[in-house]
Amino acid sequence: DAKTTQPTSMDCAEGRAANLPCNHSTISGNEYVYWYRQIHSQGPQYIIHGLKNNETNEMASLIITEDRKSSTLILPHATLRDTAVYYCIVRSPNAGGTSYGKLTFGQGTILTVHP
Amino acid sequence: KAGVTQTPRYLIKTRGQQVTLSCSPISGHRSVSWYQQTPGQGLQFLFEYFSETQRNKGNFPGRFSGRQFSNSRSEMNVSTLELGDSALYLCASSLEVGMGETQYFGPGTRLLVL
Repeated sequence: DAKTTQPTSMDCAEGRAANLPCNHSTISGNEYVYWYRQIHSQGPQYIIHGLKNNETNEMASLIITEDRKSSTLILPHATLRDTAVYYCIVRSPNAGGTSYGKLTFGQGTILTVHP
Repeated sequence: KAGVTQTPRYLIKTRGQQVTLSCSPISGHRSVSWYQQTPGQGLQFLFEYFSETQRNKGNFPGRFSGRQFSNSRSEMNVSTLELGDSALYLCASSLEVGMGETQYFGPGTRLLVL
């Protein structure tokens, strides 16, 4: 699976959009970009994933650049409850062998939403 | 649909003891993965089970083992506990590889080894 690079921390004002970047310059053609977040001491929560088209769901939007080497997770109206560690993961949906069931988490981005 | 459940949520053990943690996947999910999370090492993959078979294993000593039952429920066992085994143990379930492998995590079991 491709390696990802994320900023260590970011701040955002409540009610504003939070834009979390992720660099995955070695991504392969069939690899998806997944985003999870983990609120303190809870299990990671799935947010969104995409291949090359922009995706949107009730939680967030995912913008993937045309060359697929980077992406941005957008929380359109951040609230205090969005304070969490956000993980960007690149993964093939058909991975087998030593990749079965394995998500490789980096250090993620600590997003702090302040009033 | 109910999410992934893990029991117990909290556990305190002493060095040398063994522990068994349980995970019930989302209904219909057949793959269960386990992870260990510590402040120093972050989230690390332990192993994955599908149809009662371990298909993948992370870089952990043999003291860490697991199994999966025919109803897809899974257990993991840690024998001869060490202080360093204190961690949040997470399980995640997914349908299966090749059918959209989004993993959904449970709340975790927090293990403290004294």
